[in-house]
Amino acid sequence: KQEVTQIPAALSVPEGENLVLNCSFTDSAIYNLQWFRQDPGKGLTSLLLIQSSQREQTSGRLNASLDKSSGRSTLYIAASQPGDSATYLCAVRDNDMRFGAGTRLTVKP
Amino acid sequence: EAGVTQSPTHLIKTRGQQATLRCSPISGHTSVYWYQQALGLGLQFLLWYDEGEERNRGNFPPRFSGRQFPNYSSELNVNALELEDSALYLCASSTPLGNTEAFFGQGTRLTVV
Repeated sequence: KQEVTQIPAALSVPEGENLVLNCSFTDSAIYNLQWFRQDPGKGLTSLLLIQSSQREQTSGRLNASLDKSSGRSTLYIAASQPGDSATYLCAVRDNDMRFGAGTRLTVKP
Repeated sequence: EAGVTQSPTHLIKTRGQQATLRCSPISGHTSVYWYQQALGLGLQFLLWYDEGEERNRGNFPPRFSGRQFPNYSSELNVNALELEDSALYLCASSTPLGNTEAFFGQGTRLTVV
């Protein structure tokens, strides 16, 4: 059974900092890995999708990498802004879609 | 193009009653996933439907059930409601191939009193 872990559980940084969120998974036989953000009480917004054959994906200030063999993904956020404050979740797709518990990010002005 | 839609937005039920939650996927998506997110907790996988069939279910009791219709919309039914069933219920849709993004609806907030 796939287990997904996200570290750290919470992170607080001043505006403008670059930061890295980590996601690890136990079974490397995946189709893809997807990063989402969730604002309090809301649904999830898709940020980036990395196919199992890819190493990284970029969208604006976001860059996600995937090392399938070691069961790890990172989400890099450049020049963080207060609007980036949210919970960030990674999801691994194999026979279904399993989530980590998320990293709660606070960017202080 | 319409996104994933869920109804109702909010639902208040009494303990012991039944709740029915609905999800309409994005056009062209045949897979629907259901998740439970209790307050302050992560997403717990409930059910995965594709092409009308239940493909997998999480560690939830049988009183959590559902179905998928020929138009790929889906229902989640929760019988014999308990107070701890109070949560945000989220559904996502995708193609089954695993090579496309999954998209989420805004969720149904179920409150059991």
